[in-house]
Amino acid sequence: EAQVTQNPRYLITVTGKKLTVTCSQNMNHEYMSWYRQDPGLGLRQIYYSMNVEVTDKGDVPEGYKVSRKEKRNFPLILESPSPNQTSLYFCASSLVSGGIFYEQYFGPGTRLTVT
Amino acid sequence: TQLLEQSPQFLSIQEGENLTVYCNSSSVFSSLQWYRQEPGEGPVLLVTVVTGGEVKKLKRLTFQFGDARKDSSLHITAAQPGDTGLYLCAGARKRSQGNLIFGKGTKLSVKP
Repeated sequence: EAQVTQNPRYLITVTGKKLTVTCSQNMNHEYMSWYRQDPGLGLRQIYYSMNVEVTDKGDVPEGYKVSRKEKRNFPLILESPSPNQTSLYFCASSLVSGGIFYEQYFGPGTRLTVT
Repeated sequence: TQLLEQSPQFLSIQEGENLTVYCNSSSVFSSLQWYRQEPGEGPVLLVTVVTGGEVKKLKRLTFQFGDARKDSSLHITAAQPGDTGLYLCAGARKRSQGNLIFGKGTKLSVKP
């Protein structure tokens, strides 16, 4: 079964305490991406990766880091979380060719609260 | 700046009615996608349109990509309560092929 998994699903943390949200896909997709979803602002792309060791900033990359050491995993790192990073986060993987997105699958989401 | 404008933002209709959701931009996209999202879940891809003027049908849903690849529409015929959800459009920018821009969504409620 095609699947994108994220962990944890829910996280409450304090300002400044480093955290990592993991993302894994089983479809051998080269492309993976992270989004945050906020009321009134919709889904916004944080970072994306076209392939292993290739990452690029999306529209809201400030305060986040990513790494892509292997094809199936794409962790999102918050080095020093702040309350404005409280949000619902989604990881996605996709088959992309020539700028066309096929088969984009989203994970179940991680609800992060930073106090 | 919101690059993809979706309208309407909210839509509440009776079962059996038809509806159209619009997604507009001043930018050209290499492809455009439509998703449906249920509360507490990730978006689920409904369709990808690629060619200007393209029309795709998925049962009672009809998707159209504008000739200039700047806009799209989703038409639902004879809406059912199971169609209730948040509908999102997303465009892949031509100049940055991995960058995907989402509209803010249309929240549809279909009452029995």
